[in-house]
Amino acid sequence: DAGVIQSPRHEVTEMGQEVTLRCKPISGHNSLFWYRQTMMRGLELLIYFNNNVPIDDSGMPEDRFSAKMPNASFSTLKIQPSEPRDSAVYFCASTPLGQGLFSSGANVLTFGAGSRLTVL
Amino acid sequence: AQTVTQSQPEMSVQEAETVTLSCTYDTSESNYYLFWYKQPPSRQMILVIRQEAYKQQNATENRFSVNFQKAAKSFSLKISDSQLGDTAMYFCAFMKQTSGSRLTFGEGTQLTVNP
Repeated sequence: DAGVIQSPRHEVTEMGQEVTLRCKPISGHNSLFWYRQTMMRGLELLIYFNNNVPIDDSGMPEDRFSAKMPNASFSTLKIQPSEPRDSAVYFCASTPLGQGLFSSGANVLTFGAGSRLTVL
Repeated sequence: AQTVTQSQPEMSVQEAETVTLSCTYDTSESNYYLFWYKQPPSRQMILVIRQEAYKQQNATENRFSVNFQKAAKSFSLKISDSQLGDTAMYFCAFMKQTSGSRLTFGEGTQLTVNP
């Protein structure tokens, strides 16, 4: 398996522009997470999906942020309009759904390589 | 809410020596999981080791082992025979069993292995 695939790896944009980050989870993983990493706030959960349904979006900073998962193999995180304070590394992660033991693969998140966003 | 604290922002160790990274957490839960993730300069988050809280036996993965003290809410990572490739940021993370696999991360410890 190719792992969790994120694109783009790097994005530089100007304030006010729309940014779309993309994620393809591992096949068979039906929980998907979006995390943001900044120096000031560390790693924080933005939103997560189970079976393509958003379960908790309380970490989404404001209405400028939106996330979708139209099918089991694709998710997007969109920022519109972008601001300099949105500059961060955005990670997508996936895991099989369930509360089983680690041996089943459940509850072990596999992360993508991250998308580094710079908003000028 | 759960909190995870890593009190050592930076640490360094000589190649081939042993180093221990500290992590404490605060929770009222009795069933949970703990993890150490490694983030090298490539920024990829890589799982190092994991521990189920109901297991008293400390987890080990080759040169990596943990000292899990449930009563003290402590989960330290020991790296034996340190290698240059171990240079990375290390994150301790907590997952409540009923949280839907949500991870709460500590602030991270930057480990540098010196030749």
